[in-house]
Amino acid sequence: SQTIHQWPATLVQPVGSPLSLECTVEGTSNPNLYWYRQAAGRGLQLLFYSVGIGQISSEVPQNLSASRPQDRQFILSSKKLLLSDSGFYLCAWSTLLSYEQYFGPGTRLTVT
Amino acid sequence: GQQVMQIPQYQHVQEGEDFTTYCNSSTTLSNIQWYKQRPGGHPVFLIQLVKSGEVKKQKRLTFQFGEAKKNSSLHITATQTTDVGTYFCAGPETSGSRLTFGEGTQLTVNP
Repeated sequence: SQTIHQWPATLVQPVGSPLSLECTVEGTSNPNLYWYRQAAGRGLQLLFYSVGIGQISSEVPQNLSASRPQDRQFILSSKKLLLSDSGFYLCAWSTLLSYEQYFGPGTRLTVT
Repeated sequence: GQQVMQIPQYQHVQEGEDFTTYCNSSTTLSNIQWYKQRPGGHPVFLIQLVKSGEVKKQKRLTFQFGEAKKNSSLHITATQTTDVGTYFCAGPETSGSRLTFGEGTQLTVNP
């Protein structure tokens, strides 16, 4: 069966510090991968998605970037965090044949 | 671009009451999906509807896809405290690679 991992679960970082969040999927090949951010009590904001290795589409211009160095690995990064980067970061995957998305447990990021 | 709107934003019910959330898309959808996010958790896929007028049931949950494939609803009969959470609908973009999520309906159930 397929599983998706995200780490860390929680993170507290000072303003201006770098960020690296990792997401890995097991049990499937060539998945579509997604990064979302969710503010408290709000909906899901799509940040990046990838349909293959090295293929990244950015939805919202900001100080975040994403990379997909391997088929089932998706990384979200920032060189310098802003206070506004605080939120709940969710990674998700889907197959090429179906539309439903499966989410990881998420990372709660607090920028202080 | 495609927009998906959900109402209401919040709903408070007494345990045992029914609950309905509505989803409307600005464009015709090839399918619509529903997700549930428990407090502190991540969204979990519940169901996908594909056919015009389709109705699907999962125990006390009834999902409906409109005839024009632009709206959908989720109805919960006799809510329980385990139903607490935020319910999102989502429809695929034309390209199929992305989903447009509604803003969600946050359900609280008073015991």
